[in-house]
Amino acid sequence: GESVGLHLPTLSVQEGDNSIINCAYSNSASDYFIWYKQESGKGPQFIIDIRSNMDKRQGQRVTVLLNKTVKHLSLQIAATQPGDSAVYFCAENVEGNNRLAFGKGNQVVVIP
Amino acid sequence: DAGVTQSPTHLIKTRGQQVTLRCSPKSGHDTVSWYQQALGQGPQFIFQYYEEEERQRGNFPDRFSGHQFPNYSSELNVNALLLGDSALYLCASSLVGQQNTGELFFGEGSRLTVL
Repeated sequence: GESVGLHLPTLSVQEGDNSIINCAYSNSASDYFIWYKQESGKGPQFIIDIRSNMDKRQGQRVTVLLNKTVKHLSLQIAATQPGDSAVYFCAENVEGNNRLAFGKGNQVVVIP
Repeated sequence: DAGVTQSPTHLIKTRGQQVTLRCSPKSGHDTVSWYQQALGQGPQFIFQYYEEEERQRGNFPDRFSGHQFPNYSSELNVNALLLGDSALYLCASSLVGQQNTGELFFGEGSRLTVL
């Protein structure tokens, strides 16, 4: 399938290592944030979300950190696997009701 | 339980033509949103439909219009196509009142190429 990751910041990570992807958001009034994974030729897939009243949330192998002071999100992937190779987007819920504003995306390439 | 389905998956048009893209939401969902994703960019919100009406709209010209049917499926229409309309068009479905819950699902998209 075609790539969605052209000209994107790229993180190359060795299989088994941890990955950290960063995102800056723009709207200080946003109260809900989501990380999506997008594989080549596919639609975005939900990974994990966090509300603005939290600063950390953990899922299976993933952790999202939220720093509202500097409007910064990060996604940590533990023990990165080849199947984690994809483009990762953060998104903020603008004005509620699932109207999302997406960041620019980061491509993760896992080296076996 | 079918997820969000979109058609067609790929299509090619020429400048000035019109295009219609279709979306069936996930079973049980009543709200459909459309996004445009240019190559190498994040998705951009176009508009959202609920109860057969446009409820929210992003910064897109009137050439972009839509429709929602009683069965909650939706169409995106783009008139007078420009080269810059070439993109992946994504449909996302959700259930009204379920915002901020992660209950927002994307389809695989329709890849439009304008020549």
